[in-house]
Amino acid sequence: EAGVAQSPRYKIIEKRQSVAFWCNPISGHATLYWYQQILGQGPKLLIQFQNNGVVDDSQLPKDRFSAERLKGVDSTLKIQPAKLEDSAVYLCASSLFHTGIYEQYFGPGTRLTVT
Amino acid sequence: QQQVKQSPQSLIVQKGGISIINCAYENTAFDYFPWYQQFPGKGPALLIAIRPDVSEKKEGRFTISFNKSAKQFSLHIMDSQPGDSATYFCAASTTGNQFYFGTGTSLTVIP
Repeated sequence: EAGVAQSPRYKIIEKRQSVAFWCNPISGHATLYWYQQILGQGPKLLIQFQNNGVVDDSQLPKDRFSAERLKGVDSTLKIQPAKLEDSAVYLCASSLFHTGIYEQYFGPGTRLTVT
Repeated sequence: QQQVKQSPQSLIVQKGGISIINCAYENTAFDYFPWYQQFPGKGPALLIAIRPDVSEKKEGRFTISFNKSAKQFSLHIMDSQPGDSATYFCAASTTGNQFYFGTGTSLTVIP
């Protein structure tokens, strides 16, 4: 079974520039999560999709971050414009989300450095 | 506001010893408590998880102890091995939504 794929793995941009991350979840997984993990901290949920609908985006800085999930499969997360404090690893995870089964499978992440 | 508080921040254990990591939460609506293991450069991987209707769950060398009244849960790693050296995160969720992670514990197992 192929895992969660993310690209790019690394990205360096200057502040005020834009950046986009891509995630391909495990086939058949209805739920997709985007997390921000700042160095030395635990992952923080940014947005959760169930199929192509948003379940929770309460911690997404909507003035600069946006996300979409195309046809309930792939997803992109965009930052526009980036700030220095956006430097972090952006993790994508997916799960089957059957009742009682919440196991998340994480991708390797995209490490973003904003200079 | 930190929904899940984790301690210690770092832990050094001798090979063969027991590693214990603790977490506490406030929201009684949480009903799923997983532990994740993360190696450098990798995403977190689910290690073991528990629901509040049981007080303990064991899988191999890993055990979760859960105290519902105290709103605390802990991970015990028995017979710790150098390969267990990683960062461990506890988390809490409500029916698979809104996962909140602890701040992580860096475990080093000395040979």
